[in-house]
Amino acid sequence: SYVLTQPPSVSVAPGQTARITCGGNNIGTKSVHWYQQKPGQAPLLVVYDDSGRPSGIPERVSGSNSGNTATLTISGVEAGDEADYYCQVWDSNNDHPVFGGGTKLTAL
Amino acid sequence: QVQLQESGPGLVKPSETLSLSCTVSGYSISSGYYWGWIRQPPGKGLEYIASIYESGTTYCNPSLKSRVTISLDTSKNRFSLKLTSVTAADTAVYYCARHYAKYGSGRSDYFDYWGQGTLVTVSS
Repeated sequence: SYVLTQPPSVSVAPGQTARITCGGNNIGTKSVHWYQQKPGQAPLLVVYDDSGRPSGIPERVSGSNSGNTATLTISGVEAGDEADYYCQVWDSNNDHPVFGGGTKLTAL
Repeated sequence: QVQLQESGPGLVKPSETLSLSCTVSGYSISSGYYWGWIRQPPGKGLEYIASIYESGTTYCNPSLKSRVTISLDTSKNRFSLKLTSVTAADTAVYYCARHYAKYGSGRSDYFDYWGQGTLVTVSS
């Protein structure tokens, strides 16, 4: 199965930029999607197809993908951005979606 | 506005079958999307279970395939999950979601609408 590797946690000061990485073999050739999950809530799609933003997601949330790493970038981090973030791709060898292990974002 | 709502028993005994349904409102499940299940054990990450299309085409996590059945009931606009021979390791919050799939030079599949989730505990 295709493996996605995320750091367990990322901490940034409010107002700064948070970068959450998602590593995978040649992930740059895949479409990467990102979800935000706050405690007790369902995941929310925040980025699709590497850098697309669903309606209602602010412009300070962005994504990129190249080589072996995809990155979710959140500029001007606010307390309300504290959440777990998951990346996800399609595993073309096994024909099913796979999720990364998740990264907990903390605004210090 | 697409809305999904899971329903089913919150407690299942070991070795029995877990059965959940997801009722969709605001969108017809016969209109061109896959519909899927994802679960999350307490304190852990997301795990894909399975998806189904209106044609009956399904995808399934290989690690669960032998125990999973997914089905559609278009008359009630809902889809269902059955997981057999459950153990404590199947204790999780189970989410249903709309599964978008795009085919082109490469696949793009993601989950754009989610239910609120339902906790299923496997215990005697």
